[in-house]
Amino acid sequence: DAGVIQSPRHEVTEMGQEVTLRCKPISGHNSLFWYRQTMMRGLELLIYFNNNVPIDDSGMPEDRFSAKMPNASFSTLKIQPSEPRDSAVYFCASSTARRNTGELFFGEGSRLTVL
Amino acid sequence: RKEVEQDPGPFNVPEGATVAFNCTYSNSASQSFFWYRQDCRKEPKLLMSVYSSGNEDGRFTAQLNRASQYISLLIRDSKLSDSATYLCVVNMRNSGYALNFGKGTSLLVTP
Repeated sequence: DAGVIQSPRHEVTEMGQEVTLRCKPISGHNSLFWYRQTMMRGLELLIYFNNNVPIDDSGMPEDRFSAKMPNASFSTLKIQPSEPRDSAVYFCASSTARRNTGELFFGEGSRLTVL
Repeated sequence: RKEVEQDPGPFNVPEGATVAFNCTYSNSASQSFFWYRQDCRKEPKLLMSVYSSGNEDGRFTAQLNRASQYISLLIRDSKLSDSATYLCVVNMRNSGYALNFGKGTSLLVTP
């Protein structure tokens, strides 16, 4: 079975450039989450969607970050312009909100380095 | 102050040892509790849920103390393959299904 698919797996870019991270959730899952992980702050929830609708974006650091979910099978997280402090691993996760079992299925992450 | 606090470790233990991790959470409205496991440079994966009465899954035992806002994970007969970071996770009813993760406790099991 296909899990959560994220792309790119690695990205190195220069400060000021636009970065777009992509996520395909598990088919049938109706909740999608974007997390960011750093050594200093651990895993932080950025935003989550339920049935393609953003429910809570209070974790989005600032206006440079935006996320969209145009349909049930695709989401993007965009950073524009990027800054060195945005360097982190960005994880996308999905779940079935019908059963709150606490099981989020994570993608392998997108490791972003901003120089 | 982060909502979920864990001792970062690392915990270095020999094979066969018993090791315990603790976690505290700050919001008394927290409703659901979990332990996740994260291997080096991999994604987190659910290890087990934590129930009020305590629960066991093989060598793993999880306990919850709501009065003290404290969660624990006990690993018996440690294996080399248990080496990983263990993340304490809580969910509040009013946060929908979003989970708040602790920064994790690192475990290294040595031969």
